[in-house]
Amino acid sequence: AQKITQTQPGMFVQEKEAVTLDCTYDTSDQSYGLFWYKQPSSGEMIFLIYQGSYDEQNATEGRYSLNFQKARKSANLVISASQLGDSAMYFCAMSRRGGAQKLVFGQGTRLTINP
Amino acid sequence: DTGVSQNPRHKITKRGQNVTFRCDPISEHNRLYWYRQTLGQGPEFLTYFQNEAQLEKSRLLSDRFSAERPKGSFSTLEIQRTEQGDSAMYLCASSAGGADLFNYGYTFGSGTRLTVV
Repeated sequence: AQKITQTQPGMFVQEKEAVTLDCTYDTSDQSYGLFWYKQPSSGEMIFLIYQGSYDEQNATEGRYSLNFQKARKSANLVISASQLGDSAMYFCAMSRRGGAQKLVFGQGTRLTINP
Repeated sequence: DTGVSQNPRHKITKRGQNVTFRCDPISEHNRLYWYRQTLGQGPEFLTYFQNEAQLEKSRLLSDRFSAERPKGSFSTLEIQRTEQGDSAMYLCASSAGGADLFNYGYTFGSGTRLTVV
């Protein structure tokens, strides 16, 4: 079975600072993907970034980067130069590469950016 | 294509009533998923369709729940004899599957928030 753990229920950060959101995972699969989603108060889930288990380089997407440490089974999201619009729930999720490719989510971290 | 559309956005129903939600995925996506999200939790997988075939169902999907995807296009999720514990956000997502999933992720709809009173 796959499991995602997000240990930070809430984070408060000053605008323009960088922030790291923690995510650890557990799986017996060799081939899997790790995802981060943002959920604003409006409810939709917005895809931010993806990291494959065999990718040697950390994924980056604009201000988002994923700090992937496979041996530690961690996939932390780093947001650089935070903005007020970054305030939202953030979910880490994983999926097997084959089969249904359904996502298993963590409990989320509520990020609040202060002006 | 404007993304994944879900209707209604909100539904309030009395306990014991039946409700049906609709999801219109991105037209070229052959994979469709339903998730349930309760307050303060991450979404939980309910069921998965590839085209019109329902290929996987979670244990969370009791016999009061049924999902369909006729002709591999839109999907409906029906809950019969609703209970207060069914109150949640029901999210639909679609994907082209394969490598596209990992490049673009799933595309989620805005969800249907169900309140059972």
